[in-house]
Order: sequence, then structure tokens, then C-alpha cells
Amino acid sequence: GENVEQHPSTLSVQEGDSAVIKCTYSDSASNYFPWYKQELGKRPQLIIDIRSNVGEKKDQRIAVTLNKTAKHFSLHITETQPEDSAVYFCAARSYGGSQGNLIFGKGTKLSVKP
Amino acid sequence: NAGVTQTPKFRILKIGQSMTLQCTQDMNHNYMYWYRQDPGMGLKLIYYSVGAGITDKGEVPNGYNVSRSTTEDFPLRLELAAPSQTSVYFCASSYPARGRVGGSGTDTQYFGPGTRLTVL
Repeated sequence: GENVEQHPSTLSVQEGDSAVIKCTYSDSASNYFPWYKQELGKRPQLIIDIRSNVGEKKDQRIAVTLNKTAKHFSLHITETQPEDSAVYFCAARSYGGSQGNLIFGKGTKLSVKP
Repeated sequence: NAGVTQTPKFRILKIGQSMTLQCTQDMNHNYMYWYRQDPGMGLKLIYYSVGAGITDKGEVPNGYNVSRSTTEDFPLRLELAAPSQTSVYFCASSYPARGRVGGSGTDTQYFGPGTRLTVL
């Protein structure tokens, strides 16, 4: 089945700097890659996603890139702000024997220092 | 819309006790999911359902049971609580995945606020 690896597990940046979180996946048939943000004590919320027919997608300060050949995708946050501090999870959708369930990475704790 | 709601928010169980975690969504989503989140770990899928009357196992189903009698509700049952089931439980829902048979709409999964369960 699908396996998703996420790095780094923790990331600390200064306000205004950029942050990059990387994920790799194992199933070449996966075709949907969302990123979720989870603030402390809150529920995960989708911030951006990308499909396998697109190489890059941007939404204001957030962008996601996908390299299907290498089977990795990355989240880029520019001009980071303290409110970006949270745990970020990547995921990949693997059909396998299921209905297209998401497999999540273990998360990256991002700290943005003012 | 209230979205996805879960009850209770917190619960402490003794080993061997049973309980049901409730999940309700008012978005008319066909798909519903139960995840558990352990400290420092991602979300692990316990069970999922693609519609009323249909359920299937996820990655970590042992020790749990589910039912889906209506589109709105997807309760998770713990029969004999064990310390290993101490975790935060999230319910989620979505439309059918795009590209699948009968699928349309977004792939976004909407999560409930979670239930923090401790088994002592």
C-alpha cells in the first residue's frame, strides 16, 4: 500500500522567511495530494491540494509543487507570519483496494518566531 | 451548516469499559471516516463508509466497530477499552472522490473537532 514520508518533523523560521516541507510517496498510482494545517488543539483543515496532472499550484503565500517522476511533493510558505505556526500534514490518495483513502505523513511542526 | 460535529469532546474510560463516539455531518456527504491521532504521529484511518449501510476497514480497525444507518451519522464503538486506544479521534466527511465511479465535487475532507479519549 501507499506510504508517505514527511520531512522535517520540526521547522523553526524567523518571521518573513520562507518555509519548505517535503513529502515522498511510494504508490505511483496516487493522484491527489492535499496539505492540512492543524493548530494546537484544533481540527486539521485543508490549506491547499494538487492533482497529478499539475506540477505546481499557488494560493497567495502558499504553493505546492509535485514531481511525479521522483514521487515527491513540497509545501512552500513565503513571508511566514506567527499565525503560520502549526503542524502541517501532507497526504496522498492511494486507491489500492479502497475507495481512495488518504494516507497521511507524520506531520511537521512549524514555529515562526517574531 | 454546522459541518461535522463530534461528541463527547473528552472522555476517560477504565480498561474494559465500552463507549460510542458520535459523529454527525449536515453537508449531505456520502463519505465518512474515522481517524485516530497519536502524539507526534499523523492520522491513521480506522474505518470509513462510502454511504449508508456500507462500511469498510482502514489501516487500524482492531478494537473498533462502526455502523452507518443514515447519511448523517457514523458512530464509532469501542467494546473493550485498552490503554493503547488512548488517542484523539477525528471524524471526517467528504463527497465521493473525483474521478471515481459516481464521483463528483471536491475531494476535500472536512474534519470534526475531535474527541480526546484516555483509557486508564
